[in-house]
Amino acid sequence: EAAVTQSPRNKVAVTGGKVTLSCNQTNNHNNMYWYRQDTGHGLRLIHYSYGAGSTEKGDIPDGYKASRPSQENFSLILELATPSQTSVYFCASGGPRDKTNSDYTFGSGTRLLVI
Amino acid sequence: GMPVEQNPPALSLYEGAESGLRCNFSTTMKGVQWFQQNHRGRLITLFYLAQGTKENGRLKSTFNSKERYSTLHIKDAQLEDSGTYFCAGRIFFGDGTQLVVKP
Repeated sequence: EAAVTQSPRNKVAVTGGKVTLSCNQTNNHNNMYWYRQDTGHGLRLIHYSYGAGSTEKGDIPDGYKASRPSQENFSLILELATPSQTSVYFCASGGPRDKTNSDYTFGSGTRLLVI
Repeated sequence: GMPVEQNPPALSLYEGAESGLRCNFSTTMKGVQWFQQNHRGRLITLFYLAQGTKENGRLKSTFNSKERYSTLHIKDAQLEDSGTYFCAGRIFFGDGTQLVVKP
């Protein structure tokens, strides 16, 4: 039973289009994260959140927005998708704010291709 | 420099062998996590350490916050250990160590 569920699993988008990646967690974790993974770069943090209504910029936020409407849901939004945003995106949830890297749980990833 | 540096970037072991991976941090971290990414791309949490040493089966990890490093030791390597191993301090990930275990 997956505690962090991402949708869609795969997505093909056209350049200039809007893309929304969704993430739902059932861990009741305060913190949620969006990373992208590209060959040779490991995981890079795009946006994260400390709780409902909160969004924070990570290392590479340009071209992305995030939304945390509830404890369970955290979305990543590409308003104007570009081919450079072709990547694998991972969502994660984690424990309280003072333990920002404790108890991480990852989703299965979303493969996004922008053509 | 990068907040988290991992070494080596790649490692090849024969079944039954053992080796260690290392993670160096440019700043003080309150804790470290180690993950394995399997051939399906799934990220699996191996350890979280705030300090000291943890062991789980053939894996052992240590974290020295003062000296800013962490290690992951794999003994009696098995084929299913193949994958990419990442360490993370706070919200920052290293670039990973690609481990291949050969029969």
